[in-house]
Amino acid sequence: AQTVTQSQPEMSVQEAETVTLSCTYDTSESDYYLFWYKQPPSRQMILVIRQEAYKQQNATENRFSVNFQKAAKSFSLKISDSQLGDAAMYFCAYRSPSYTGTASKLTFGTGTRLQVTL
Amino acid sequence: GAGVSQSPSNKVTEKGKDVELRCDPISGHTALYWYRQSLGQGLEFLIYFQGNSAPDKSGLPSDRFSAERTGGSVSTLTIQRTQQEDSAVYLCASSTRDNYYGYTFGSGTRLTVV
Repeated sequence: AQTVTQSQPEMSVQEAETVTLSCTYDTSESDYYLFWYKQPPSRQMILVIRQEAYKQQNATENRFSVNFQKAAKSFSLKISDSQLGDAAMYFCAYRSPSYTGTASKLTFGTGTRLQVTL
Repeated sequence: GAGVSQSPSNKVTEKGKDVELRCDPISGHTALYWYRQSLGQGLEFLIYFQGNSAPDKSGLPSDRFSAERTGGSVSTLTIQRTQQEDSAVYLCASSTRDNYYGYTFGSGTRLTVV
């Protein structure tokens, strides 16, 4: 079974600065998908960015980018020019390539709470 | 609808009572998932529905938990004889069949068992 580990329960960053959230995972599969979700106090999980394992290029969405190291099974999220609205819980998630049965379910890490200070 | 809708938003119940949590997925999404988020924990998979196929119930923690999905749309998660350890946020999500872009989540139901 796949596991996802987020070793940083809490992180803090000053507004306009850059912060990196760590995520590692364990899998024997060669093809899979990785996601970062944001959960603000409203509780609704919002997709931040996704990465397909077969793509070597790191995904980027505006101020959010990932550093995907397949051999190291590492998938970190970098937030540039941090804003107060970035304060939230961030979850890393893994999904197998098959879309049938529980293989399609996402396996989540325990999350990192990000604080943004003035 | 435009998003995944869950009700109620918050529920306080007495230990031993039954509760029903509702999820209305995005129209056209064939896949529906229930997750449980306990304080300080990640998201724990509970159950998965895909179209008209038999649901995958492998994540349900005990036989007090059950779920159904009527007409391939609205889903209800039922917890019988609630216990204090059932207190958590219950999140519902839906996706297209291939789940290519991940899930769209609802805002969850916060269940408190007193």
